[in-house]
Amino acid sequence: EAGVTQFPSHSVIEKGQTVTLRCDPISGHDNLYWYRRVMGKEIKFLLHFVKESKQDESGMPNNRFLAERTGGTYSTLKVQPAELEDSGVYFCASSLRPTLAGGFGNEQFFGPGTRLTVL
Amino acid sequence: AQSVTQLGSHVSVSEGALVLLRCNYSSSVPPYLFWYVQYPNQGLQLLLKYTSAATLVKGINGFEAEFKKSETSFHLTKPSAHMSDAAEYFCAVRKMDSSYKLIFGSGTRLLVRP
Repeated sequence: EAGVTQFPSHSVIEKGQTVTLRCDPISGHDNLYWYRRVMGKEIKFLLHFVKESKQDESGMPNNRFLAERTGGTYSTLKVQPAELEDSGVYFCASSLRPTLAGGFGNEQFFGPGTRLTVL
Repeated sequence: AQSVTQLGSHVSVSEGALVLLRCNYSSSVPPYLFWYVQYPNQGLQLLLKYTSAATLVKGINGFEAEFKKSETSFHLTKPSAHMSDAAEYFCAVRKMDSSYKLIFGSGTRLLVRP
């Protein structure tokens, strides 16, 4: 079974440009998450999709970030326009629908991340 | 608000020595707790998780962690380090509610000396 894949693995862009990151979750996983790690800091939650719906986007930094998950399969995260502070590693994760009442859910499987550098 | 503190951004041990990576959490109620590992050029892999069952949790690759409510700690240990254990380790928490998001510590990079 293929794991979570992310494209590209690296992206170097200039301030003001637009970048789109893509995440393909594990087949059958309804839940999809985006996280970001700025260099030297902790990994921070950005948002959570359940199928194509945004369940929680409380971690999105500002309106320059737009996440979509059309059809409930792959997801894209667009940064427009990119700023220097957007540099970091963007992780995607996916999990199955929870099987227990109370919402514990299942393990989040992470992709290798996309390293974004904004110059 | 919940938070996770990992003491020591870098830990160095000799091969065969005990590995101890520290994690303390801040939460008003006992959360779900996780340890993830990231090997170079790979995604985060779940090592183990605490979900309010046994306080001593065994994970993959010989790692284990003990949940201590009185100390709000969830330290990761391995009796004997192997060269292949060199990686970055992350402690994370998740509230016992419908929120699925993980809150991570800043990570600890483990170096294993031959």
